[in-house]
Amino acid sequence: RKEVEQDPGPFNVPEGATVAFNCTYSNSASQSFFWYRQDCRKEPKLLMSVYSSGNEDGRFTAQLNRASQYISLLIRDSKLSDSATYLCVVSLGSDKLIFGTGTRLQVFP
Amino acid sequence: DAGVTQSPTHLIKTRGQQVTLRCSPKSGHDTVSWYQQALGQGPQFIFQYYEEEERQRGNFPDRFSGHQFPNYSSELNVNALLLGDSALYLCASSHSDSPYQPQHFGDGTRLSIL
Repeated sequence: RKEVEQDPGPFNVPEGATVAFNCTYSNSASQSFFWYRQDCRKEPKLLMSVYSSGNEDGRFTAQLNRASQYISLLIRDSKLSDSATYLCVVSLGSDKLIFGTGTRLQVFP
Repeated sequence: DAGVTQSPTHLIKTRGQQVTLRCSPKSGHDTVSWYQQALGQGPQFIFQYYEEEERQRGNFPDRFSGHQFPNYSSELNVNALLLGDSALYLCASSHSDSPYQPQHFGDGTRLSIL
C-alpha cells in the first residue's frame, strides 16, 4: 500500500465548476499535512497547509480527518489558471515530505 | 529575499557517468532535503542534510550521496548513472526550529541520461 494515495485523474471541469480531490495516508503518526500545486515541468509550490479544524483560503478549502486518515481539497469557481497537478503531502515532522502521485486538473472554457 | 536556488537547470549525461547537482537554501534556512521526481510520479525523498550531516535517507542506493557545507548549501552526487536516473531533482529547504512548517522548493534540475 502506498503511504499517500490519490486519484491521478485527470479531472476535466468547465470554468466555474466546483471540484474536490481526496487523499488517504497510511501512517497514523503523520503530523503535518499540505497541498502543493505543480505546473507542468515546474517545481511544486505550496498551495496550503491543512489543519484538523479545516481551513479556507479564498476559493480553496482543505479538510483533514485524522480518524479516517483522509485529506481533501475543494476548489470552488474553477479558473483556467487552476489547471495543474495537485499533490497531497504528509510529514511526520522535521523530516521528509511524503508525496502522493498527484491529481491532474484541467479546467476548460 | 532569495528563495531556494538550484544549478544547473538542465543536464544531459550518458550511462556510467557521474553528476553533481547544487542547491542553496532559502535565506535563514539550515536544513536541505533532496527529492527525485520521475515523470508522472510524485517527488520521492532521497535524503536530508542538517548541520553538515545526513540526517535521514530514503530508499535510494549508495550511488546517491550528498554533502552540506558550512553556509548550508548542499550538493547531490550520483555515480554510475543509469537510464532510470533521468528525472527532475528537487531541493527543498526548511528551518530546524520550525519542523512543522512546509518546505520550499527550488526550480529543480532536469537530468537526462542517454
